[in-house]
Amino acid sequence: DTGVSQNPRHKITKRGQNVTFRCDPISEHNRLYWYRQTLGQGPEFLTYFQNEAQLEKSRLLSDRFSAERPKGSFSTLEIQRTEQGDSAMYLCASSPFGDTEAFFGQGTRLTVV
Amino acid sequence: QQQVKQSPQSLIVQKGGISIINCAYENTAFDYFPWYQQFPGKGPALLIAIRPDVSEKKEGRFTISFNKSAKQFSLHIMDSQPGDSATYFCAASMGSARQLTFGSGTQLTVLP
Repeated sequence: DTGVSQNPRHKITKRGQNVTFRCDPISEHNRLYWYRQTLGQGPEFLTYFQNEAQLEKSRLLSDRFSAERPKGSFSTLEIQRTEQGDSAMYLCASSPFGDTEAFFGQGTRLTVV
Repeated sequence: QQQVKQSPQSLIVQKGGISIINCAYENTAFDYFPWYQQFPGKGPALLIAIRPDVSEKKEGRFTISFNKSAKQFSLHIMDSQPGDSATYFCAASMGSARQLTFGSGTQLTVLP
């Protein structure tokens, strides 16, 4: 399968714990995006990388959220001190530079209890 | 100005009928308008997309109609099938970053 891969698919955590999600984009896709989707809503943009550079992070929801793409390949999204309001689907997408089509992974469903 | 407004929230259509979903945007800098299909537990998948220099684009049973002056675009699904039952999102993007601004979604149910 050469699509966007996200792990884990599901994560249940206790409030106050830290969680980290991983995204493996399609090979050779320069651009990588993170979105959050809450129930009954469209995905909401969080942050964007071009290769290893994080070019847009002002839309991260709070300073508890951070993302990295250290070698321009896979990316991680970390949420520190999780809150119940963080419960959502976290989606990763990738696209080739200069192309407009974004390919989404299947997401990581986070439940904070 | 970043919003994309989508309607209806839900839609029920008989098999073989036409499904129509509408979206409106405010920011005239948007220059790419895709539609995504999402099944439960899955990520969104691109269906069809259009740029504002054309008024209509058709791919199989799916057609986008685009009205630049009204800042509106719509998705038409012809000969709707039960397998089309899913949530549909319109979106828009602009600039070099190309992040997508999504509508709130339409849950389509096609009755057999």
